[in-house]
Amino acid sequence: GNSVTQMEGPVTLSEEAFLTINCTYTATGYPSLFWYVQYPGEGLQLLLKATKADDKGSNKGFEATYRKETTSFHLEKGSVQVSDSAVYFCALSPFGNEKLTFGTGTRLTIIP
Amino acid sequence: DTAVSQTPKYLVTQMGNDKSIKCEQNLGHDTMYWYKQDSKKFLKIMFSYNNKELIINETVPNRFSPKSPDKAHLNLHINSLELGDSAVYFCASSQKTGINTGELFFGEGSRLTVL
Repeated sequence: GNSVTQMEGPVTLSEEAFLTINCTYTATGYPSLFWYVQYPGEGLQLLLKATKADDKGSNKGFEATYRKETTSFHLEKGSVQVSDSAVYFCALSPFGNEKLTFGTGTRLTIIP
Repeated sequence: DTAVSQTPKYLVTQMGNDKSIKCEQNLGHDTMYWYKQDSKKFLKIMFSYNNKELIINETVPNRFSPKSPDKAHLNLHINSLELGDSAVYFCASSQKTGINTGELFFGEGSRLTVL
């Protein structure tokens, strides 16, 4: 079956540090890959996505590249801010199927 | 205007009671979902409806019954509540297209606490 594995949290970084949150997946075929973000007290929001191999999704300074050879979709940001503190979810959606499978989420805390 | 709205936001109730959570979306989407998020933030899909028709029904106790009176509404009714039902329940919607985009729009969640 389909699955998503994320690095365990929580992750605590200082402001302006470099961020990487690892995500690997298992799926048949060519799924679409996503990062969602959940700010405190809110629902999830789509952060970025990639629909085919070697695509790079980007938004708000965050980037992730769809690596089929390593079945990975790691989230990166060059300089984090306190406002980036949230829980980040990696997810996949098999082609032609609307069912999203989420990873377990990684809580990120940025300290000033 | 809130795109996906859920009510109530907080619900505290006793074991054995029956409760409902309502969800409405004004995005014109065809597909709606219920997800359950446990205390460790793990998100799991429960149900999905497309244009009032049930299309995803995960392994969920039959005490949980979704109802979709029209494609803009998907309500969740829970009978005989148990302690393990305590969680945050998220409603979401998506636009069904020929090529799946997988983008879901989530409500703010309904935190259910069973005592």
